[in-house]
Amino acid sequence: DVKVTQSSRYLVKRTGEKVFLECVQDMDHENMFWYRQDPGLGLRLIYFSYDVKMKEKGDIPEGYSVSREKKERFSLILESASTNQTSMYLCASSSTGWVRNEQFFGPGTRLTVL
Amino acid sequence: GNSVTQMEGPVTLSEEAFLTINCTYTATGYPSLFWYVQYPGEGLQLLLKATKADDKGSNKGFEATYRKETTSFHLEKGSVQVSDSAVYFCALSDQSGYSTLTFGKGTMLLVSP
Repeated sequence: DVKVTQSSRYLVKRTGEKVFLECVQDMDHENMFWYRQDPGLGLRLIYFSYDVKMKEKGDIPEGYSVSREKKERFSLILESASTNQTSMYLCASSSTGWVRNEQFFGPGTRLTVL
Repeated sequence: GNSVTQMEGPVTLSEEAFLTINCTYTATGYPSLFWYVQYPGEGLQLLLKATKADDKGSNKGFEATYRKETTSFHLEKGSVQVSDSAVYFCALSDQSGYSTLTFGKGTMLLVSP
């Protein structure tokens, strides 16, 4: 069974902390994505990566950075967490093949910043 | 830019009722269209998709038809079950670049016995 896993289901951090959210996929997918999900706003794309060490900004990259050192792993970094980054964070991956558009999602990390 | 508009929820139905969740889109070219479902406490799962005009996607009793003339992709099910209670997201991909998706805001469906 194909799988996207995220390092934590729930995370509580303090304002100003550096936060790492990890995502791993076992499908050998080229593309990986980070979204945040907020009530009434749906999913918004933060960053995505189409290859190792490559990254592209999404719709809301401010306050975030990413790292992709290995094909299967994509990390989201909050350099200095703030309360307005309290949210659900979803990771996804997809192939660059003829079914290239289908994305597979992880279970999400609910982050609370106090 | 691309955008997806779907009906606001929650949609509250009794078991075995007919379901429609409306979705319209704005995009350039010929996008692919998707419905994703999110069950409580879980990530999103692909429910169905359609990649060209007049295609019908179907899965688990749900259906949606890609209507280019009305730029719509409405989700329907003839008889909902309590287990269908979830949040449903309509999304599109404009086939460019790296298969990024544009999502609607989601519609919560609550089905009571």
